Amino acid sequence: QQQVKQSPQSLIVQKGGISIINCAYENTAFDYFPWYQQFPGKGPALLIAIRPDVSEKKEGRFTISFNKSAKQFSLHIMDSQPGDSATYFCAARFTGKLIFGQGTTLQVKP
Amino acid sequence: GAGVSQSPSNKVTEKGKDVELRCDPISGHTALYWYRQSLGQGLEFLIYFQGNSAPDKSGLPSDRFSAERTGGSVSTLTIQRTQQEDSAVYLCASSETGMNNSPLHFGNGTRLTVT
Repeated sequence: QQQVKQSPQSLIVQKGGISIINCAYENTAFDYFPWYQQFPGKGPALLIAIRPDVSEKKEGRFTISFNKSAKQFSLHIMDSQPGDSATYFCAARFTGKLIFGQGTTLQVKP
Repeated sequence: GAGVSQSPSNKVTEKGKDVELRCDPISGHTALYWYRQSLGQGLEFLIYFQGNSAPDKSGLPSDRFSAERTGGSVSTLTIQRTQQEDSAVYLCASSETGMNNSPLHFGNGTRLTVT
């Protein structure tokens, strides 16, 4: 199965709160897991990525947690800001192509 | 340091017409990808080029869709006899090597509307 399942579909968080987006996969051949951020009218842009031999990666307010045995990974956005309001996509790479989740629309209320 | 450039940014066409969408990748990037994003949906993989060859075209939805890449650079996605269900944003991306830790850089897409 080459699908990546992403949840929730939409998320509303208060400014300063923690945003959490989850993804799950089946194919153990995936070996690179990026997260992309997309603003309206723009193409997705790489936010942060992890390899499956690492359980956590942090860059500023953004953290990926990776659970290889459960075949799940998640994005945590700490101290969420209104400027973080965007659509977030998880993805997994397989034989040179990225398979994307369905996306999560995040709204951070001031 | 230009990014991935796509043209046109918007295209409105009548059902049954052919359309060509163009992608200029980042200079030196060997891998190029086409994705389709329907309203409120995720990104659907269409085709992947490494150089001028397409090792994976498994995502092309029908034989009305084709793509080519010339000179290891510019790519064109052609949709023949367009249908209303082809309406979507078509996104192009390039990466330096196409290897698993080489990030994809996306253009801003071509919004195709079939009337």
